[in-house]
Amino acid sequence: SYELTQPPSVSVSPGQTARITCSGDVLSYKYGYWYQQKSGQAPVLVIYEDSKRPSGIPERFSGSSSGTMVTLTISGAQVEDEADYYCYSTDSSVNFAFGGGTKLTVL
Amino acid sequence: EVQLVESGGGLVQPGGSLRLSCAASGFTFSTYWMSWVRQTPGKGLEWVANIKQDGNEKFYVDSVKGRFTISRDNAKRSLYVQMNSLRPEDTAVYYCVRGVAAAAYYFDFWGQGTLVTVSS
Repeated sequence: SYELTQPPSVSVSPGQTARITCSGDVLSYKYGYWYQQKSGQAPVLVIYEDSKRPSGIPERFSGSSSGTMVTLTISGAQVEDEADYYCYSTDSSVNFAFGGGTKLTVL
Repeated sequence: EVQLVESGGGLVQPGGSLRLSCAASGFTFSTYWMSWVRQTPGKGLEWVANIKQDGNEKFYVDSVKGRFTISRDNAKRSLYVQMNSLRPEDTAVYYCVRGVAAAAYYFDFWGQGTLVTVSS
């Protein structure tokens, strides 16, 4: 198995750029994915395959990858972006891992 | 619109059994892998099990092997998980999730979840 490590919290003011990192050895050779989970709701996929954005996800959400780290960037963060964000990756059909989650505060 | 609606959660004693169901709509259910993922305050998100489109391939996290069985009924557009020999550490919100087998396997749509509490 492997681990994905995220900072517990990130805080930005509205309109600023928020960056959330996720590190793990598997990310050097496998894609990273990002999920947003607002309070009391189910997770929503916001980035897949490192940097692709599903339809319906605002353009201010972007993803990047470098070495053993993937980064979720929210350009011009809004109050409604306040949520927990989880990274995810997999290296086989039986090995799936989520990061511990990062609480994004926008205030 | 993709919809996944779970049911069957509740309070069960240790050693007991529970069957969760998930009703799918808004997409061609029979063409997708499906999964169960659970979430606890302490351990966060944890993948539980996957099942292939035709139900002939199933995968489980080690902690539930031999206790949980994932299944599906494509005619009814439904996903299930039979949970036996439940333990307190199985307490979690269980999500029904649609899987995508592309460059890697990932989860693209999630249900709202159903709470399972294992306690005496």
